[in-house]
Amino acid sequence: DAGVTQSPTHLIKTRGQQVTLRCSPKSGHDTVSWYQQALGQGPQFIFQYYEEEERQRGNFPDRFSGHQFPNYSSELNVNALLLGDSALYLCASSLVGENTEAFFGQGTRLTVV
Amino acid sequence: GESVGLHLPTLSVQEGDNSIINCAYSNSASDYFIWYKQESGKGPQFIIDIRSNMDKRQGQRVTVLLNKTVKHLSLQIAATQPGDSAVYFCAENTVLSTNDYKLSFGAGTTVTVRA
Repeated sequence: DAGVTQSPTHLIKTRGQQVTLRCSPKSGHDTVSWYQQALGQGPQFIFQYYEEEERQRGNFPDRFSGHQFPNYSSELNVNALLLGDSALYLCASSLVGENTEAFFGQGTRLTVV
Repeated sequence: GESVGLHLPTLSVQEGDNSIINCAYSNSASDYFIWYKQESGKGPQFIIDIRSNMDKRQGQRVTVLLNKTVKHLSLQIAATQPGDSAVYFCAENTVLSTNDYKLSFGAGTTVTVRA
C-alpha cells in the first residue's frame, strides 16, 4: 500500500519563476491538503482539494494555486516566486468527512535564490 | 497556537527516562487532536490521536493526555530511546464546515535523547 508520494524531493528556482509540485495521495484517500513549513516552524495550511475543487484556503496569496485530478493526485503551483517562498512543502491526504488523521508525504524542499 | 510559558521549544532527555511534551491549543471547538513526529528531512509521521470525549489515550510507549478545561495536550514517551530524537508537533483538527477540516500545528518541540 503506497503512502503519500511527492515529487520532486528538492528544487531550486530563481526569484520570479514559477514552480509546480506534485502529490499522489495514499491509496483510498480522496482529499489532498497542502502545507508550507518554513525552517524551524510548524506546517501552515495552504489549501485543500476534494472532487477536483479547492474546498478551503489558508492565509496565502493568489500566487499559490492548485489542482486536483480525477485520480485524486494534486499539484501545487506557485507563481512569481519570492525568496520567502523557500520552505518544505508538504502534501497530506485523508478521507473526506472523516475526522481522522492525515498522512503526510516526505515533502518537497523548495529553495528560491 | 502555543501559550507562553507552557511550550518548551527544546527538550533534552536521558536515554531510558520518560519524556513529557506539552502543547496548548487555541480553538475550544476543536474535537480531534493528533501528535506527529518529524525527523530531519522527512514529513510528519502520525504517533497518536485523541478525541475530545476522552482525556487519556495510550499507545505503544506513548500516552496522550487532554485537558479541555485549560486547552492543553501532553505527550508522554516512556523509556525514551535514541530513535525518539525528532521534532514533535501537536495538531488540532479544526472543523471548517461540514466534512471540511484543516490541521493547525503548534510550533513544535525538538527532543534530543542523550546516550
